Amino acid sequence: AQKITQTQPGMFVQEKEAVTLDCTYDTSDPSYGLFWYKQPSSGEMIFLIYQGSYDQQNATEGRYSLNFQKARKSANLVISASQLGDSAMYFCAMREGWGGGGNKLTFGTGTQLKVEL
Amino acid sequence: DARVTQTPRHKVTEMGQEVTMRCQPILGHNTVFWYRQTMMQGLELLAYFRNRAPLDDSGMPKDRFSAEMPDATLATLKIQPSEPRDSAVYFCASGLVQNTQETQYFGPGTRLLVL
Repeated sequence: AQKITQTQPGMFVQEKEAVTLDCTYDTSDPSYGLFWYKQPSSGEMIFLIYQGSYDQQNATEGRYSLNFQKARKSANLVISASQLGDSAMYFCAMREGWGGGGNKLTFGTGTQLKVEL
Repeated sequence: DARVTQTPRHKVTEMGQEVTMRCQPILGHNTVFWYRQTMMQGLELLAYFRNRAPLDDSGMPKDRFSAEMPDATLATLKIQPSEPRDSAVYFCASGLVQNTQETQYFGPGTRLLVL
């Protein structure tokens, strides 16, 4: 079974609108972390946001927020007020087990986001 | 602004040649990861280190790949001999946990083409 599932291979959104990128995960470990990365056409991987499994509140970083629904095992990324520069591939990833010092990440297949005028 | 650095950024080589990729993790990070990205396989972990000790290299073909961390400021990934199927982007990442916040920052990657 896939540990990280991103069901949207591609998404379009109009500039200044909000967009939600879906991510569901599968783990039996009570301790895990969820990450979102942005990969623009230049190829670099840019860390956006992190949510720990024990965090009570949804993580937010500027225009990025993570809609964490633990019972549903979903960790959707919400981008508010989309900008043209948000056009990129977005990856959801999961770290299983205690993250003291970091553990390896398992990545989803990504969602290609295109922001239009 | 601390960053993970990787060299070289691009490498074109012929089949059978040795390839060495280098990574300088962010100072203070105690975990280093090597990932490979291809169109077919996506992002996959090759190896990772914690406090310079190798923890998991199960994703790495042992007969041709080797990963080392000779000191806290340098991680290397070697392929010998290289094959065309090794063509990919190789990312190094370093990780840190502070309070409840965890990050893993990626370097810019090494684009490898094996002819």
